Amino acid sequence: GQQVMQIPQYQHVQEGEDFTTYCNSSTTLSNIQWYKQRPGGHPVFLIQLVKSGEVKKQKRLTFQFGEAKKNSSLHITATQTTDVGTYFCAGLNFNKFYFGSGTKLNVKP
Amino acid sequence: EPEVTQTPSHQVTQMGQEVILRCVPISNHLYFYWYRQILGQKVEFLVSFYNNEISEKSEIFDDQFSVERPDGSNFTLKIRSTKLEDSAMYFCASSRTGSGSQPQHFGDGTRLSIL
Repeated sequence: GQQVMQIPQYQHVQEGEDFTTYCNSSTTLSNIQWYKQRPGGHPVFLIQLVKSGEVKKQKRLTFQFGEAKKNSSLHITATQTTDVGTYFCAGLNFNKFYFGSGTKLNVKP
Repeated sequence: EPEVTQTPSHQVTQMGQEVILRCVPISNHLYFYWYRQILGQKVEFLVSFYNNEISEKSEIFDDQFSVERPDGSNFTLKIRSTKLEDSAMYFCASSRTGSGSQPQHFGDGTRLSIL
């Protein structure tokens, strides 16, 4: 069945270091969305990628969608303590969203 | 900013009992969703709902589960004959359209604890 894998599971960084999480799907996706979930909170939409090879930036966050539309990445430059949380990708395939397992980011001040 | 609201925030129920989780989606949204998140794990899709009927459901959403829009504002998830493994956070979400082109707005969730 459809699977969306996400790595790494955990990432601990020093404030100011960069961070990247990777998302891989077993099948081609229609689009991919990224969400952030703070501890004890609910997923909050960050961005959506639709086109093959698409790159989008939000301040220190850079999102990429692979050429084959089967993988995606989120890169954070110069992490801050406010970046702490779990980052989920969610791939759309046949009108269902399949969430990745998430990458839990911890930022040490 | 409008938001999705869920009640109750925490529900404790004896195994075998039925529970109803309630959600009020954002008012101009047309698509509604239920997700489940077992503690420390990923968010799992349960069901999507549009125009008063289920549009998609996952393998998890079996005969134990049902959804309903009893009036113009509420969207409910009923779990019959609850089991220990139903313990999880249940999130409701809504979006303006269901094409996947719109962000889903999540509620704060209902933590369901089955004893």
